[in-house]
Amino acid sequence: IAGITQAPTSQILAAGRRMTLRCTQDMRHNAMYWYRQDLGLGLRLIHYSNTAGTTGKGEVPDGYSVSRANTDDFPLTLASAVPSQTSVYFCASSPRENLNSPLHFGNGTRLTVT
Amino acid sequence: AQSVAQPEDQVNVAEGNPLTVKCTYSVSGNPYLFWYVQYPNRGLQFLLKYITGDNLVKGSYGFEAEFNKSQTSFHLKKPSALVSDSALYFCAVRAFNDYKLSFGAGTTVTVRA
Repeated sequence: IAGITQAPTSQILAAGRRMTLRCTQDMRHNAMYWYRQDLGLGLRLIHYSNTAGTTGKGEVPDGYSVSRANTDDFPLTLASAVPSQTSVYFCASSPRENLNSPLHFGNGTRLTVT
Repeated sequence: AQSVAQPEDQVNVAEGNPLTVKCTYSVSGNPYLFWYVQYPNRGLQFLLKYITGDNLVKGSYGFEAEFNKSQTSFHLKKPSALVSDSALYFCAVRAFNDYKLSFGAGTTVTVRA
């Protein structure tokens, strides 16, 4: 079934540790996104990529980095986790050539930083 | 900068009654507007979108939304709510020339039997 796969599903992480959240899509979408979801704040864009080899900053990029080595994968890295990064993280994708296409979302990664 | 406001944190309705979830937006130029629904422990699912044309758009599961340019609103509606419509609903906006999609804070809908 075509879609977005995120891993892990959930993780408890000690503050100061490094963590990479994985995201893979098989729809050949050029554009990919990372959002965090927090109660009362909705979804906030962390980073995005319009196509392989390019990335951009969203609303809340500090403390996060991304890479886009190929079309399918868009990992999100927390270099040194802090408790305020406790959140649910969603990866999404959409066709680059059609800006009115909806985003497709993965099922999320629930991250707790202690 | 673009933004979305969903003024109600929660909406409670009885099954069979009309359901309305409010959304207002701010964006430069013509907007692309979307509604998504989220069920517990799942990602967001697309319901419907407004791009251009008819101000009333129809989407999945009997939902529809009305675009009002003068009021910069895009309210989600369903004529007769079901218990299974209980979920978290998000409105989102994108400028016509921008990849970034901005979301509202979400509205929790509870439909009681």
